[in-house]
Amino acid sequence: KNQVEQSPQSLIILEGKNCTLQCNYTVSPFSNLRWYKQDTGRGPVSLTIMTFSENTKSNGRYTATLDADTKQSSLHITASQLSDSASYICVVSVTSGTYKYIFGTGTRLKVLA
Amino acid sequence: DAGVTQSPTHLIKTRGQQVTLRCSPISGHKSVSWYQQVLGQGPQFIFQYYEKEERGRGNFPDRFSARQFPNYSSELNVNALLLGDSALYLCASSQIANRGPGTEAFFGQGTRLTVV
Repeated sequence: KNQVEQSPQSLIILEGKNCTLQCNYTVSPFSNLRWYKQDTGRGPVSLTIMTFSENTKSNGRYTATLDADTKQSSLHITASQLSDSASYICVVSVTSGTYKYIFGTGTRLKVLA
Repeated sequence: DAGVTQSPTHLIKTRGQQVTLRCSPISGHKSVSWYQQVLGQGPQFIFQYYEKEERGRGNFPDRFSARQFPNYSSELNVNALLLGDSALYLCASSQIANRGPGTEAFFGQGTRLTVV
């Protein structure tokens, strides 16, 4: 069964600190993996997208890693800001006949002053 | 350049009613996908349309249907609404049917549907 699991479910950190969010997937055949940031009540916004051949991709203070062998990805946030408070969703794309996304349930990050 | 636009932004319906949600993709994008996001959970795939044809369907009952118009806008219809249909309905557009790496999907702000 195609699944995407994220951890932790929620996280609270102080402004300026770093944090790492985890994503494990059991999806086949794998096409690509994306990390999205979703503010409450709003649509997700893309942070990074990686294919199976990419190990690391950065977008400002966000750095995503991918290990296609172990089927794990992480999102590292550096020098967190209050505006980083949101849900971070890992999405894996499947290409088997029709194409679709498998979404994780997300990690809720709260950054405190 | 406008992003993905969805209407209405909020909607309240009673059980048993029917609802139509609308989505306009980014100009030049030919693929539209619909997702249901229940509070506290990740989005669940409902449909994908490309060039006016259904290209994918998630595990949703036949009460859910959709279509894509010649201008690539799309409608999601839900019949015989249930309380459990209350959710944020998201629309995403992309240039093609996402078959290649690097194809970006852009999400709208969603329609918040409340069924009472």
